[in-house]
Amino acid sequence: SQQGEEDPQALSIQEGENATMNCSYKTSINNLQWYRQNSGRGLVHLILIRSNEREKHSGRLRVTLDTSKKSSSLLITASRAADTASYFCATDWMNTGFQKLVFGTGTRLLVSP
Amino acid sequence: ETGVTQSPTHLIKTRGQQVTLRCSSQSGHNTVSWYQQALGQGPQFIFQYYREEENGRGNFPPRFSGLQFPNYSSELNVNALELDDSALYLCASTTQRESTNEQFFGPGTRLTVL
Repeated sequence: SQQGEEDPQALSIQEGENATMNCSYKTSINNLQWYRQNSGRGLVHLILIRSNEREKHSGRLRVTLDTSKKSSSLLITASRAADTASYFCATDWMNTGFQKLVFGTGTRLLVSP
Repeated sequence: ETGVTQSPTHLIKTRGQQVTLRCSSQSGHNTVSWYQQALGQGPQFIFQYYREEENGRGNFPPRFSGLQFPNYSSELNVNALELDDSALYLCASTTQRESTNEQFFGPGTRLTVL
C-alpha cells in the first residue's frame, strides 16, 4: 500500500493553542491535500499544495511541503473547539487516465475549551 | 455541504448477502470515485468511474463492482459480503478524469456486516 503516515496519531490541546500535524508519504506526487473528518462522516477538503509549492496559507491553516523529505505539515493556529476532528493528508496519484487519492492514517485532534 | 449525497446512511447486512450503495454527484461533475474507510483508518480507493466506465481500480476483489449512470449518479455493489467489509463507504466526485483538483466527498454510508 502507498498509504502515508500522519504524526502524531492523536493530539490534545487547549483552545487558543496551535496544532501541528505531520504527514510522510512514499512516492513522487503531483499534489498533496489535507482533509478534515468529523465523527466518522464525510471528508471536507481543507487545502491543496502542489509539488512545486513549498508553503500555502488559508485562513488559520498553514501547510508546508518538502518534496525532498517526502513530508508535509499542517498548522492550525489559534485552535477552537470546533476544530476537533480527524485530519488526513492525501497524495494525488496519477496514472494512465485516472486519479486516486492515497490517504494517510490520520491525526485525531481534540481541542478542549 | 458538498452537494454529494449518499444513501442509505446506515445499513446492516449479514455475511454472504449482497448490498448496493448509491451516490449522487455534485452538479457538473462527471467523475466519481469510491473509497472504503475501516474504523480508525484512512480511506482506501476502490475504483473510479468516468462517463459511465470504470477507468481505475484499487486493490479490491471483483465482488466489488460499480455503475455510473448518464446523469453521473453512481452505485457501488458488493457481493458475498464478508465481516471485513464493515466500513464507511465514501463516494467523491470531481470534474475531470485526470483532474488534480479537490474531490468532493459525500457523507458516507456506514455498512455493518454481521
